[in-house]
Amino acid sequence: DGGITQSPKYLFRKEGQNVTLSCEQNLNHDAMYWYRQDPGQGLRLIYYSQIVNDFQKGDIAEGYSVSREKKESFPLTVTSAQKNPTAFYLCASSIQGAATEAFFGQGTRLTVV
Amino acid sequence: GNSVTQMEGPVTLSEEAFLTINCTYTATGYPSLFWYVQYPGEGLQLLLKATKADDKGSNKGFEATYRKETTSFHLEKGSVQVSDSAVYFCALSPPGGGADGLTFGKGTHLIIQP
Repeated sequence: DGGITQSPKYLFRKEGQNVTLSCEQNLNHDAMYWYRQDPGQGLRLIYYSQIVNDFQKGDIAEGYSVSREKKESFPLTVTSAQKNPTAFYLCASSIQGAATEAFFGQGTRLTVV
Repeated sequence: GNSVTQMEGPVTLSEEAFLTINCTYTATGYPSLFWYVQYPGEGLQLLLKATKADDKGSNKGFEATYRKETTSFHLEKGSVQVSDSAVYFCALSPPGGGADGLTFGKGTHLIIQP
């Protein structure tokens, strides 16, 4: 089945550590996105990528980094520079250049301990 | 720029009540419009969509009609169930797609009481 997979579902991080969240899709989509969701809040765009080896900052990129070495993969690293990383992280993908829907993964809940 | 405004929640209803969640948008041209649903601890799932004016999207008893004259895409359901409790997001994609993806509203938390 085609879809988008995020792992792990739950992640715990000690303060000062970097962690990487995985996002893989087999939908053959060019565009991929990372969002952050805080309790009771909407979605905030962290980074997005329209094509392999290219990505752009979203609204809240500080303290995060990404890579796009393969079309299928768009990992997000939460660095120690992110002051309040505890949140629910969502990855999505879509067809580039078309007004179509985005497909979402199941999310990763990151908690700083 | 593009924007989506939806009613603030939480919205609390009794089972079998009629549901309306308002959504209005600002965009140039004719965007595509979407409703997504998010159950607790999960990602967003597409509920329904409409790609041109006067289109009606429908799924699982939910409906929404693309109204260009009022720039609206209100979500309705005739008889809600406890299992409909979730967060609902209205979203748009501009013509040709947006480089940074969909524009989302802030979400409306729906609570259905038995």
